[in-house]
Amino acid sequence: QQQVKQSPQSLIVQKGGISIINCAYENTAFDYFPWYQQFPGKGPALLIAIRPDVSEKKEGRFTISFNKSAKQFSLHIMDSQPGDSATYFCAASNEGGSQGNLIFGKGTKLSVKP
Amino acid sequence: DSGVTQTPKHLITATGQRVTLRCSPRSGDLSVYWYQQSLDQGLQFLIQYYNGEERAKGNILERFSAQQFPDLHSELNLSSLELGDSALYFCASSVAPAGGPDEQYFGPGTRLTVT
Repeated sequence: QQQVKQSPQSLIVQKGGISIINCAYENTAFDYFPWYQQFPGKGPALLIAIRPDVSEKKEGRFTISFNKSAKQFSLHIMDSQPGDSATYFCAASNEGGSQGNLIFGKGTKLSVKP
Repeated sequence: DSGVTQTPKHLITATGQRVTLRCSPRSGDLSVYWYQQSLDQGLQFLIQYYNGEERAKGNILERFSAQQFPDLHSELNLSSLELGDSALYFCASSVAPAGGPDEQYFGPGTRLTVT
């Protein structure tokens, strides 16, 4: 069964620190890997995404690192702020296939302490 | 604001009943996806429509059905509701069906409570 495994389940980071969330996938047909941020009572919001032709993508304080051979990817949040406190979901999909639906990890609840 | 709208925001109903959840995609988006979010199962894909046609099915129960109308809005119908159907239901939209850039934008969700 297609799966995306995400860790840790929860994370506490001091303000200004680096938050790192990891994901691993099984299906080598996956070719699109987005990260979503979800605040309580809100829908998931697309944060940043990567495709396997690059090993890293950076947008502001958010960076995705991608390791195709290990089938792993991670989200790094630099200079973490209290406003970053939310649940983060990694996901994967096979855009080149017949289905574009996202397979989500279980989520990481991030708390950034002031 | 993602541009995807969902109604109602909250829905409370009894077991055995039937409800309809509504979603309007972002302007220009032809694909609509439905996802269910629960504490134990996380975010799970239910079904996708592209330009009025069913494109993909996930873990959708036979008691659930969906459709996409000519104006591209979509409805998710849940029938013979059980306590376990209580969850957040999200709609997402994107431009492409598959095979191309497929950034999905999520609506605010409908919280369904079955009592």
